[in-house]
This record gives sequence, C-alpha cells and structure tokens, in this order.
Amino acid sequence: QKEVEQNSGPLSVPEGAIASLNCTYSDRGSQSFFWYRQYSGKSPELIMSIYSNGDKEDGRFTAQLNKASQYVSLLIRDSQPSDSATYLCAPYNAGNMLTFGGGTRLMVKP
Amino acid sequence: SQTIHQWPATLVQPVGSPLSLECTVEGTSNPNLYWYRQAAGRGLQLLFYSVGIGQISSEVPQNLSASRPQDRQFILSSKKLLLSDSGFYLCAWNSGSFEQFFGPGTRLTVL
Repeated sequence: QKEVEQNSGPLSVPEGAIASLNCTYSDRGSQSFFWYRQYSGKSPELIMSIYSNGDKEDGRFTAQLNKASQYVSLLIRDSQPSDSATYLCAPYNAGNMLTFGGGTRLMVKP
Repeated sequence: SQTIHQWPATLVQPVGSPLSLECTVEGTSNPNLYWYRQAAGRGLQLLFYSVGIGQISSEVPQNLSASRPQDRQFILSSKKLLLSDSGFYLCAWNSGSFEQFFGPGTRLTVL
C-alpha cells in the first residue's frame, strides 16, 4: 500500500464547476497536511495547509480533513481554466517528513 | 521576504559525467533544506535534507551526495551520472513551520 494515494486523473470539469480532489494516507501519526499545485514543467506551489479535522476555506479553495478515516480533500469552487494543473497531497508523516502522493491532474474546460 | 534560487535551470549531461546543482535561500537564517527528485510522470522523492551547516541526512541510497557548506546553500552532486538520474530536481526550505517552499527546479537529462 502506498503511503499517500491519489487518483491520477485526469479529472475533467467544466469552467465554473466545483472540482473535488481526494487523497488517502496510511500513516496514522500524520498531523499536518498540505496541498500543492504544480503547473506543467514548473515546481510545486503551496496552496493550502490543514491541521485539524473539519474544513478550512481560503478563497475558492476548501481543504477537508478526516483523521479517523485518514482522508483529506481539496475542493475548488468556480473552477477556472487557470486551475488546470496537477494537485499534490502531502501529509507530514510521523518522521516529520513530507510524503507526496502522485498527484491528480485537473483539467478545467472553458 | 524569502526567496529560493536554483541553478542551472536545465542541464544535459552524458552518462558518467559529474554533476553539481546549487540551491540558495535568501531572507531567512538557519533554514531546513531539502533535495527532491521528480522523475517523469512520477511523484516527488525526498533525496536529502539538512538541518544545519554540514548536517546531511540521506533518505535514498544512490550515487548522489549532498553538501551544505554555508547556512543558506545546499549542493547536490554526483561523481558519475547514470541514465536513471534524469529528472526534475527540486530544492525546498522551511523554517519554524512544517510548510515547505520549493525553488524553481533544475531539469536534468542524462544521455
């Protein structure tokens, strides 16, 4: 079992829709969780962090965390073509190191 | 504000040649520094991390090495490159928090 699992996609959504990106992790000791956005050919950019169970909203982005289910998600409201990228889920494991999922490729169609 | 630089941006090297990639961070002191590799179509793999000058921890044994000669400088090296060393090399930093911030990366092609 991989430490961090993400559906590789591509996830295709129409412009203006909600994109839902999901991630499961295996290390129950993980306490901090991060979402990175990576445009093709570019380096990852941190867009959200979440530490507690529940929802955290920042603009059009909402991160959701459920530690009991070992599940974290990212919702993007009013999706724009500029949101088309690969989204990486990255929990901090019990060894205090970031572990990355393989990423979900999102395509927002005009 | 903090900025992180990597160079070169792209590199094409023959098999068996040496490698030196450099990463520098500005605007912070005593950062934790990290080297990751992202192979084509794959996830990020942590190679090395450093919590201070001269302190290097290796996550994956291979023909690469890292050094931290100055507080805000992190270098990735190899004496002899392999084809499998091709990839996107990313330097990252953090300081005082878990959030890591990435540099622009170096794309290495080994022929």
